[in-house]
Amino acid sequence: QKEVEQNSGPLSVPEGAIASLNCTYSDRGSQSFFWYRQYSGKSPELIMFIYSNGDKEDGRFTAQLNKASQYVSLLIRDSQPSDSATYLCAVNTGGFKTIFGAGTRLFVKA
Amino acid sequence: DAGVIQSPRHEVTEMGQEVTLRCKPISGHNSLFWYRQTMMRGLELLIYFNNNVPIDDSGMPEDRFSAKMPNASFSTLKIQPSEPRDSAVYFCASSFDRAEDNEKLLFGSGTQLSVL
Repeated sequence: QKEVEQNSGPLSVPEGAIASLNCTYSDRGSQSFFWYRQYSGKSPELIMFIYSNGDKEDGRFTAQLNKASQYVSLLIRDSQPSDSATYLCAVNTGGFKTIFGAGTRLFVKA
Repeated sequence: DAGVIQSPRHEVTEMGQEVTLRCKPISGHNSLFWYRQTMMRGLELLIYFNNNVPIDDSGMPEDRFSAKMPNASFSTLKIQPSEPRDSAVYFCASSFDRAEDNEKLLFGSGTQLSVL
């Protein structure tokens, strides 16, 4: 079983809609969770992090964490074509070790 | 700050040749990470350093891979001899070893390696 699993997509949503990206992880002791955005041909960029169960909002982005279900999600409200990218879920499994999922490709159609 | 600087941006080499990738972390960051990204395997952690000391190299695929960090501002990842299956994008990332910051990775632009 992969340590961090994501649906590879592609996920296609119309402009203005809510995009919902999901991730599960296997290490129950994980404490820190991250979402990185990666545009084609570019490097990953940190956009959200969450440490506690519940929701965390930052602008159009909301990260959700449920440690009991080992589930992390990212909601993007009012999706824009510029949000089209691959979104990588990342989990810190202890110390300095951060493991990435394979990523979900998101397309926002104008 | 210019961010994490990697060189070269692109490297094309022939099988069996030695390849050296270079990374300059953000000034003041004391954790450095090497990742490899391929379509098949995604983003894989190869090795990470804290205060110039290798902490975990369990992700290094084979003895052909080695990494060094001789000082706080420079790290190398070396592949000798290179093989076609090493073709990938190699990213260097750094972070600041402070509570709630040490896990937030800032990535360099990557080195696209092609081994023919």
